Amino acid sequence: KNQVEQSPQSLIILEGKNCTLQCNYTVSPFSNLRWYKQDTGRGPVSLTIMTFSENTKSNGRYTATLDADTKQSSLHITASQLSDSASYICVVSAGGGSYIPTFGRGTSLIVHP
Amino acid sequence: KAGVTQTPRYLIKTRGQQVTLSCSPISGHRSVSWYQQTPGQGLQFLFEYFSETQRNKGNFPGRFSGRQFSNSRSEMNVSTLELGDSALYLCASSGNVDRVVETQYFGPGTRLLVL
Repeated sequence: KNQVEQSPQSLIILEGKNCTLQCNYTVSPFSNLRWYKQDTGRGPVSLTIMTFSENTKSNGRYTATLDADTKQSSLHITASQLSDSASYICVVSAGGGSYIPTFGRGTSLIVHP
Repeated sequence: KAGVTQTPRYLIKTRGQQVTLSCSPISGHRSVSWYQQTPGQGLQFLFEYFSETQRNKGNFPGRFSGRQFSNSRSEMNVSTLELGDSALYLCASSGNVDRVVETQYFGPGTRLLVL
């Protein structure tokens, strides 16, 4: 069964600090891995998309890494801001023509001033 | 460019009723996907439509159905509502130039409460 596990479940950091969120998956065959940011009460917003051949992708202060061999990904947030407080969701889509996505449960990040 | 719009934004129904939710994709986008988000299960994929055809379907019962019109607008229908159908229903659209790396743009969702 395809699964995506995220850790930690929740995280509290101080404004200006860096943090790293983890995502492990068992989806096979693999097509792509996406990170989304979801603010409370709103739809998710795409941060990064990575395919099998990519191991790093950046979007401003957000940097995602992918290790397809170990089936792990991380999302690093640099110099956190109060507006980074949100849920961060890892999504892995199956390959082989299906493209059906499997979602992680998300990491809830709170940035304190 | 206007974003993805979903109507209604909030809905209250009772068990056994049916409901229809609407999604208007970003202009020019031909792919529309639907998702259910609950506190217990998180986000789950319902189905995807492209050019009026259902291209993918998640693991949901047949009470959940959808369709897409020639202008790419999409509707999803849930019949015989159950308490467990209470959720945020999200719609996302993409241009489908390359499904592997295409960015999906989500709407604000429709929050459904079943009493």
